Amino acid sequence: IAGITQAPTSQILAAGRRMTLRCTQDMRHNAMYWYRQDLGLGLRLIHYSNTAGTTGKGEVPDGYSVSRANTDDFPLTLASAVPSQTSVYFCASMGTSGDTGELFFGEGSRLTVL
Amino acid sequence: GQNIDQPTEMTATEGAIVQINCTYQTSGFNGLFWYQQHAGEAPTFLSYNVLDGLEEKGRFSSFLSRSKGYSYLLLKELQMKDSASYLCAVMDSNYQLIWGAGTKLIIKP
Repeated sequence: IAGITQAPTSQILAAGRRMTLRCTQDMRHNAMYWYRQDLGLGLRLIHYSNTAGTTGKGEVPDGYSVSRANTDDFPLTLASAVPSQTSVYFCASMGTSGDTGELFFGEGSRLTVL
Repeated sequence: GQNIDQPTEMTATEGAIVQINCTYQTSGFNGLFWYQQHAGEAPTFLSYNVLDGLEEKGRFSSFLSRSKGYSYLLLKELQMKDSASYLCAVMDSNYQLIWGAGTKLIIKP
């Protein structure tokens, strides 16, 4: 693994189903983030984690949950998917929350909820 | 509320110069970022400004005026590969990034 990896890259899902998007980084970054990107709206923060064992809610957390059991992994779960959750999801990491370094993004997960 | 404004779309000619503006109103300020995003790909970091003035990095430069809540990204000697969306983001007092909707830049030969 080099950098930050997301899986799956694309998924079509029936409404009401449970889905977990996986995110793994090998840079030992403390801060990790989940964003969704919709046309015309820009990136919106769903949940974040400043360090292993802690998580926080972003701008649009409803319908999503996260966990941060260790430094490397930050999965995003949709407990019961709805069509409005159709979007492109990006996982990202930064050395330390507030770090002035760059935010590293995964390649994205395109999710379609029917 | 917090707000980042940038033009939705701009068109420029190969070899020319283009300036993409960004204005912001946020709860606190801990730096402004520019990212480039090609269609279907993840954003990639271009620049970071925390002090007023111009930061130059090759063909790209970024300017910040904190008193005016204003930044711009200047792209020189435009190449076709510069066709992409350019995202402005501000880190607020809680060290969270607030993102603009992005400016789609179209380069014509």
